[in-house]
Amino acid sequence: NAGVTQTPKFQVLKTGQSMTLQCAQDMNHEYMSWYRQDPGMGLRLIHYSVGAGITDQGEVPNGYNVSRSTTEDFPLRLLSAAPSQTSVYFCASSFLETQYFGPGTRLLVL
Amino acid sequence: SQQGEEDPQALSIQEGENATMNCSYKTSINNLQWYRQNSGRGLVHLILIRSNEREKHSGRLRVTLDTSKKSSSLLITASRAADTASYFCATAVMYYGNNRLAFGKGNQVVVIP
Repeated sequence: NAGVTQTPKFQVLKTGQSMTLQCAQDMNHEYMSWYRQDPGMGLRLIHYSVGAGITDQGEVPNGYNVSRSTTEDFPLRLLSAAPSQTSVYFCASSFLETQYFGPGTRLLVL
Repeated sequence: SQQGEEDPQALSIQEGENATMNCSYKTSINNLQWYRQNSGRGLVHLILIRSNEREKHSGRLRVTLDTSKKSSSLLITASRAADTASYFCATAVMYYGNNRLAFGKGNQVVVIP
């Protein structure tokens, strides 16, 4: 099993550009989530999904969209990137009590 | 909102010593989990303690939970250089049969060989 994979590993965007951060898992987990990690802030929940077709907002959803068309994939879209979205983004999937994290995507918005 | 708040924020110890980290939270929880993050990597689950448990052990890890004080502690015994990492507590509430986690800001631990 590859576990949770994320692409790209690193991305530089200009303000106003759009992009999609990819997340995939091969563990057949229903629950998936996106976090952002900023220095001194820990991890903050952006969006999550309890299964295909069901998504909901987390703590910091503004500026991000998600969809969940399959169990395996949970992409995170930035429609118009802003410098405040410079961060490290982690995707996670979980079965019951434990979350499994991907390696992260480091995003720089200029 | 941020649930867990770890204390101390940074810890530097000699190899072989014990490392203790504390975490406080504000609301009722289903369980509390500790995760480790090595530099530049994703988080890795270490240990989970349920709200009706007071203490749990896993290898060199010992976690305690005091729900009356809304606090938890993580003890790493006989630390090794490989334990150098950031440690996060996360409080969990059940949602659709899974845990929705709220993470603290993390504890940076440096173990000096």
